[in-house]
Amino acid sequence: GQQVMQIPQYQHVQEGEDFTTYCNSSTTLSNIQWYKQRPGGHPVFLIQLVKSGEVKKQKRLTFQFGEAKKNSSLHITATQTTDVGTYFCAARTGANNLFFGTGTRLTVIP
Amino acid sequence: DGGITQSPKYLFRKEGQNVTLSCEQNLNHDAMYWYRQDPGQGLRLIYYSQIVNDFQKGDIAEGYSVSREKKESFPLTVTSAQKNPTAFYLCASSTDRKLFFGSGTQLSVL
Repeated sequence: GQQVMQIPQYQHVQEGEDFTTYCNSSTTLSNIQWYKQRPGGHPVFLIQLVKSGEVKKQKRLTFQFGEAKKNSSLHITATQTTDVGTYFCAARTGANNLFFGTGTRLTVIP
Repeated sequence: DGGITQSPKYLFRKEGQNVTLSCEQNLNHDAMYWYRQDPGQGLRLIYYSQIVNDFQKGDIAEGYSVSREKKESFPLTVTSAQKNPTAFYLCASSTDRKLFFGSGTQLSVL
């Protein structure tokens, strides 16, 4: 079945350092979404990317969708303790279902 | 206050017992979903429903059952056939293809 690989599984950074998580698929994706789950919480929708090569920014967060629509990344500039949580990508290949990546758990050390 | 309500927050199942997890939404969304989350893994789709009185199996439907008699409600029953039910269960509804999640139910086996 559809697989979306996400790396790294864990990332520890000092507060103020940058952070990036990557999402890769062997098949072309219709679109890709990113979610954030705080510790003990539930996933919350962050953004959706649809177009090849698309780049979107939300304050310190930058989201990219690859030219071939097979990969995506989320980059956080100058991390803060409020960024702590697990970041998931979720992708569609045209069907209704979203396939979630395994997530990257971010720890920010003050 | 609009949203998705899951109950209970914690649930314990005895051997051979069926248990039902509740999910109610007042967002007027047509589509609803059940996901299972295990530590270190992404979200895996159990069942989904695009419309009242209709639902489809997801990737890991074995040992689970659902009903969709009302637009607002999508309960999940974990049957005794599910041999490894301990997990965090998340209900979601969607509009514009982005998911809105409930706060989850942690199911454990006694």
